[in-house]
Amino acid sequence: DQQVKQNSPSLSVQEGRISILNCDYTNSMFDYFLWYKKYPAEGPTFLISISSIKDKNEDGRFTVFLNKSAKHLSLHIVPSQPGDSAVYFCAATYRGSNYKLTFGKGTLLTVNP
Amino acid sequence: GAVVSQHPSRVICKSGTSVKIECRSLDFQATTMFWYRQFPKKSLMLMATSNEGSKATYEQGVEKDKFLINHASLTLSTLTVTSAHPEDSSFYICSASLAGGIEDTQYFGPGTRLTVL
Repeated sequence: DQQVKQNSPSLSVQEGRISILNCDYTNSMFDYFLWYKKYPAEGPTFLISISSIKDKNEDGRFTVFLNKSAKHLSLHIVPSQPGDSAVYFCAATYRGSNYKLTFGKGTLLTVNP
Repeated sequence: GAVVSQHPSRVICKSGTSVKIECRSLDFQATTMFWYRQFPKKSLMLMATSNEGSKATYEQGVEKDKFLINHASLTLSTLTVTSAHPEDSSFYICSASLAGGIEDTQYFGPGTRLTVL
């Protein structure tokens, strides 16, 4: 049972435009969400996170939005750059889970020059 | 930033042999280390959580006798795949957490590609 779902396996955008990556979750206990970026043959690197007490968190070009009622979050990258091309994983956790992260399957973002 | 290394990056072994993978936090002490496995086109699946000086906590369905985890110090955790078989071929990734709090970032190693012939 996939508790964290990234339904789009891939996304292609033009350089300078906005990239929107989506993530849905089913476990209502999740209260902390993270986005990781992964290049081939490398481990994931942390991008941005959001607590369930917030609905938005912004860090430079990256903004994460959380809609708790819809159990949905999204990562916006503006403006997109070719170097952003990678696989993006959405992950979720909650207090009492021993900080275990549950990952989605990832979305491959390709930013075309 | 916090750096986590893994060794080896790639290993090929014969069926029936054991393989040890090391995970090190290079510039910080990691209270908690996590071991993940990733199949092609699949998400990272948590295998086990290890805290320094105590036994690892394995996820449901992960054989603790097959995947031995040792977290001997605050900077080193090892995963040993015992009597490896072709179905154990996968990408294994470790992560380390500074303090283990919910908002503490997990820093990931570069991963180890295991191929069992």
